[in-house]
Amino acid sequence: GENVEQHPSTLSVQEGDSAVIKCTYSDSASNYFPWYKQELGKGPQLIIDIRSNVGEKKDQRIAVTLNKTAKHFSLHITETQPEDSAVYFCAASKSEKLVFGKGTKLTVNP
Amino acid sequence: KAGVTQTPRYLIKTRGQQVTLSCSPISGHRSVSWYQQTPGQGLQFLFEYFSETQRNKGNFPGRFSGRQFSNSRSEMNVSTLELGDSALYLCASSLVAGGPDTQYFGPGTRLTVL
Repeated sequence: GENVEQHPSTLSVQEGDSAVIKCTYSDSASNYFPWYKQELGKGPQLIIDIRSNVGEKKDQRIAVTLNKTAKHFSLHITETQPEDSAVYFCAASKSEKLVFGKGTKLTVNP
Repeated sequence: KAGVTQTPRYLIKTRGQQVTLSCSPISGHRSVSWYQQTPGQGLQFLFEYFSETQRNKGNFPGRFSGRQFSNSRSEMNVSTLELGDSALYLCASSLVAGGPDTQYFGPGTRLTVL
């Protein structure tokens, strides 16, 4: 079955810097790659997603890139703000079954 | 539009008991998926329901079961609770089940087994 690896597990940046989180997946049939942000005491919130027919997608300060050949995808957050501090999860799927990475705890220091 | 709602938000049970959790999807969404979140195993898929039928199932024992009603609301049941079942149980809904579609998560039910 699908396996998703996510790195790094923790990431600390200064406010205004960029943050990059990387994920690799194993199943070449996976065609949907969402990213979720989870704050303490809340459920995961979708922040951006990409499908396999697209190589890059951007939404304001957030972008995701996908390399199908290498089977990896990345989340890029620019101009980070303290409110970006949370745990971020990547996931891969070819159905409604999402397979998640272990998460990255992002801390943005003011 | 209201988001995914889950009830109850918190539960405390003892070993051997059973528990039922409820999930109401976003209006118009027909697919409901359940996930278990623990510090050690992360987010793991339990099962997915569409049109009252289980379409996908994860690698959990038969003590974990679910169902979906005609209004798309879903319940999951865990029988003979074990200490290791303590977790945050998350429900997610999506509009269509041609898969994969964007899934929106509820706030979760925090289950503690003593």
